[in-house]
Amino acid sequence: GQQVMQIPQYQHVQEGEDFTTYCNSSTTLSNIQWYKQRPGGHPVFLIQLVKSGEVKKQKRLTFQFGEAKKNSSLHITATQTTDVGTYFCAVTDNYGQNFVFGPGTRLSVLP
Amino acid sequence: DAGITQSPRHKVTETGTPVTLRCHQTENHRYMYWYRQDPGHGLRLIHYSYGVKDTDKGEVSDGYSVSRSKTEDFLLTLESATSSQTSVYFCAISVRADTQETQYFGPGTRLLVL
Repeated sequence: GQQVMQIPQYQHVQEGEDFTTYCNSSTTLSNIQWYKQRPGGHPVFLIQLVKSGEVKKQKRLTFQFGEAKKNSSLHITATQTTDVGTYFCAVTDNYGQNFVFGPGTRLSVLP
Repeated sequence: DAGITQSPRHKVTETGTPVTLRCHQTENHRYMYWYRQDPGHGLRLIHYSYGVKDTDKGEVSDGYSVSRSKTEDFLLTLESATSSQTSVYFCAISVRADTQETQYFGPGTRLLVL
């Protein structure tokens, strides 16, 4: 079935440093979504990307969909302690019915 | 958060006992999902439902069954709990608008099988 990989698995940064997580698929994707899960919480939808090369921004977060629609990145500029959590990408399965989630990147921000 | 509640929020049980987790939504959404979350695996789909009495298996359905007798309730049953089913279980609903489908998750149930 559909699988997605995420790197890195963990990232520790000093507050104010930038952070990037990558999501990769071996197949072309119709779209990709990003979710954030705070420690002890539940996943929360952040954004959806659909078009090749698409770039979307939410304040300090920049999301990009690769030209070949096989990868995506989430970049956080000048991290804050409120950015702590696990970031998941999610893609539609091969049948276009359900979502397949990546294993996530856990971000720690040291004050 | 789309009016999704889960019960119980925490449960400890013994191997071999049946366990039922409940997901309740208040906004009449058609699609509902059960996921389990384990370290290093992200969220894996157990079962999903696309309407009353309409359910289907997900990636990791062995050892689990579901029922949906009402739109608002989606029940997950561990027929005979095993230690490998110790996990955090999330229920989700799916909201579709134009070309975007967004999943909203409940608060989760932490299950420990001894």
